[in-house]
Amino acid sequence: AQSVAQPEDQVNVAEGNPLTVKCTYSVSGNPYLFWYVQYPNRGLQFLLKYITGDNLVKGSYGFEAEFNKSQTSFHLKKPSALVSDSALYFCAVRPPPPGGGNKLTFGTGTQLKVEL
Amino acid sequence: ETGVTQSPTHLIKTRGQQVTLRCSSQSGHNTVSWYQQALGQGPQFIFQYYREEENGRGNFPPRFSGLQFPNYSSELNVNALELDDSALYLCASSSIRDRGDEQFFGPGTRLTVL
Repeated sequence: AQSVAQPEDQVNVAEGNPLTVKCTYSVSGNPYLFWYVQYPNRGLQFLLKYITGDNLVKGSYGFEAEFNKSQTSFHLKKPSALVSDSALYFCAVRPPPPGGGNKLTFGTGTQLKVEL
Repeated sequence: ETGVTQSPTHLIKTRGQQVTLRCSSQSGHNTVSWYQQALGQGPQFIFQYYREEENGRGNFPPRFSGLQFPNYSSELNVNALELDDSALYLCASSSIRDRGDEQFFGPGTRLTVL
């Protein structure tokens, strides 16, 4: 069975500082990993994904994530945080094809708060 | 290219009733998945439809059922509603079932069961 852990319920960072939102995963085989963001009363918006290739993946709004196979981690990062980045962030994993369809397993989410 | 849309936005039902939620997939997408997001939790996979057939199901009882139509729109039906069914229900579409493409989510339907 696949699982995702987001160890921090909330991350606070000052605007302009770098941010990291942590994620570790468990899945059989090579994982497909995703980050989504959710603003209040909205659905999830796709940020980035790791399928294969370079361990550093670049995504939307200046976010990037680093895949580390030995540590089974996929941490979300941004060099300089903005107040508008404040939102709920979800890490998700799915097993590689074939099989598993598009079933995403999500973490419990990390609330990011960026302050002036 | 239109995004994923869901209706209604909000819904209030009483325990024991039945509800139907609707989703219109993003243009060109033939796979739709439904998720339940309880308050303060991450989304939980309910089931997926591909070419009008259920293709994968999460840990949800049979009173959760669905349909996918030839135009790839979809419905989620929940019978015999329970208080714990109160949640945000998210629909997500993607282009091909097993290629690892990201899923695009709709804004969700907030269901409250009293």
